[in-house]
Amino acid sequence: NAGVTQTPKFQVLKTGQSMTLQCAQDMNHNSMYWYRQDPGMGLRLIYYSASEGTTDKGEVPNGYNVSRLNKREFSLRLESAAPSQTSVYFCASREKDLNYGYTFGSGTRLTVV
Amino acid sequence: AQKITQTQPGMFVQEKEAVTLDCTYDTSDPSYGLFWYKQPSSGEMIFLIYQGSYDQQNATEGRYSLNFQKARKSANLVISASQLGDSAMYFCAMREPMDSNYQLIWGAGTKLIIKP
Repeated sequence: NAGVTQTPKFQVLKTGQSMTLQCAQDMNHNSMYWYRQDPGMGLRLIYYSASEGTTDKGEVPNGYNVSRLNKREFSLRLESAAPSQTSVYFCASREKDLNYGYTFGSGTRLTVV
Repeated sequence: AQKITQTQPGMFVQEKEAVTLDCTYDTSDPSYGLFWYKQPSSGEMIFLIYQGSYDQQNATEGRYSLNFQKARKSANLVISASQLGDSAMYFCAMREPMDSNYQLIWGAGTKLIIKP
């Protein structure tokens, strides 16, 4: 099925461990995004990639790095996980037509202990 | 200052009744867009409806409509004839220009529960 695929769906890390969240889209979208969702808050932008080969910081980039591997794939890396990074992470990609917002992946629930 | 405000943390509505979810926004840019997303308990984000700042008419998509009052800076979502499957979190978001791209600014959401 066409859409945005995120892996893994769930992950538990110990403080200081590293991991990479994977995201791939098959809709030929240029722009891709990583958001985090915390309880009682709306989504907050971590990083985005307007096109292949470019990445930019969003509202809350500290503690994260990203890689736009190709047009399909946009990964998010936590180099040294902290409990404050416990959250639900969403990857999204954008239609060229601005009227249709983002298409989201199903999310990754990350717990850092 | 909050750019997107959803004042209703939670709502209970009887099945088959209409429901209005409130959203107010703040921007000085004349060009902006407003979105509503639904997040059921399964967690995925589902796009519902979009309203552009220059659109003359209120947007409608099936049972969803957007009551856009530009002067009041409000973009309320109206769900007609509510169903049990409408129980979910609902988020209002605003598109703002950002360099050559744009980002969505999100409200904190409203939890809607439909009672049978």
